[in-house]
Amino acid sequence: NAGVMQNPRHLVRRRGQEARLRCSPMKGHSHVYWYRQLPEEGLKFMVYLQKENIIDESGMPKERFSAEFPKEGPSILRIQQVVRGDSAAYFCASSPSGYGTGGNEQFFGPGTRLTVL
Amino acid sequence: AQTVTQSQPEMSVQEAETVTLSCTYDTSESDYYLFWYKQPPSRQMILVIRQEAYKQQNATENRFSVNFQKAAKSFSLKISDSQLGDAAMYFCAYAGNNRKLIWGLGTSLAVNP
Repeated sequence: NAGVMQNPRHLVRRRGQEARLRCSPMKGHSHVYWYRQLPEEGLKFMVYLQKENIIDESGMPKERFSAEFPKEGPSILRIQQVVRGDSAAYFCASSPSGYGTGGNEQFFGPGTRLTVL
Repeated sequence: AQTVTQSQPEMSVQEAETVTLSCTYDTSESDYYLFWYKQPPSRQMILVIRQEAYKQQNATENRFSVNFQKAAKSFSLKISDSQLGDAAMYFCAYAGNNRKLIWGLGTSLAVNP
């Protein structure tokens, strides 16, 4: 059973460009979480998605950031018009169950390191 | 809002010895989960151990164990017989009713041969 896959592992963008980060959850997992890790910091929750639904986006910046998890295909975190402050590692995690089901472990992907020049 | 505090930015331990990493948290919830994750230089986030708040018994996983003090809101990680491969960043994390993880800033653990 393959783990959570993220691509690309490294992404370089110039200011003003768009960044698309992909996450394929573990087989059988229908819940996806995105976290951002700034240098020298812990992870910060961004968004929680189920297939075709955003469940909790309370950690997502209101502008330029969006996420989706379509019925078919990977979850996508999209950052429009990137700025230097968006440079960070973005981690995706998946779980077989979501809220209210008892702290099921979230399995993490290797992360995408975004560098904005 | 829930918070997680790791007061030790860096720790070191001699190989084969024992080290304890500290974590405190703040919450008004009664039902929650606590986790320790390890992040080696590869940056992969790996679950080390988890604790359900309703369980009084401290969780253990091989050389890793926790000291969970619910009243004090403390959740420390003990690593016994430390190995070189234990060197990594260790993050304490909290999951409450909404299950999203709230993270501490991490403790960098060095293991000296």
